[in-house]
Amino acid sequence: ETGVTQTPRHLVMGMTNKKSLKCEQHLGHNAMYWYKQSAKKPLELMFVYSLEERVENNSVPSRFSPECPNSSHLFLHLHTLQPEDSALYLCASSQDPPQVAGVGETQYFGPGTRLLVL
Amino acid sequence: QKEVEQNSGPLSVPEGAIASLNCTYSDRGSQSFFWYRQYSGKSPELIMSIYSNGDKEDGRFTAQLNKASQYVSLLIRDSQPSDSATYLCAVKAYSGAGSYQLTFGKGTKLSVIP
Repeated sequence: ETGVTQTPRHLVMGMTNKKSLKCEQHLGHNAMYWYKQSAKKPLELMFVYSLEERVENNSVPSRFSPECPNSSHLFLHLHTLQPEDSALYLCASSQDPPQVAGVGETQYFGPGTRLLVL
Repeated sequence: QKEVEQNSGPLSVPEGAIASLNCTYSDRGSQSFFWYRQYSGKSPELIMSIYSNGDKEDGRFTAQLNKASQYVSLLIRDSQPSDSATYLCAVKAYSGAGSYQLTFGKGTKLSVIP
């Protein structure tokens, strides 16, 4: 276990549903990330939060909405998704924010949420 | 567009052999390099990080970095069946507006044959 937990682990939703993914880190880290992993494609960074402030948004469609209420929790709110959004959604955290180089920049991943959009 | 390239494999090696995994990257300004292992259906876990040219050893794993050639590799000595997984190369580089981003390759699938 890396100290990063995600719920739910599996989610099936229709295109008109609204759901939320939750991530919690128990490591005292200051930065948290959402990644998308699709088959045959590399991990894609979606959002980065540093000290609860969003610092990076990689042109993600507005049907994905992140929320970081505190440094330990990160949410990804989903609405009106498309079938191509089906993927493994991974949360990660790091001690230091991404602009800092060194050991503290190492990212630790949660187990992921396997999402299927019908 | 910053790119990280890896052979997708599968790379098959016999048990006890050395597995060599390679990665090239496009951004010369990249400063931090990571190897993650991902078992099927699981999330990535960190194997090694390397920041300066040369070799870095940790147990059976050795990471090698050559910034001039924009090349980073991972050697696994005495390969075990439990090493069978997909290995992800990740490179951190400046992405603009004071921000840095980790870019991942697609991964190389390693199969260690008993």
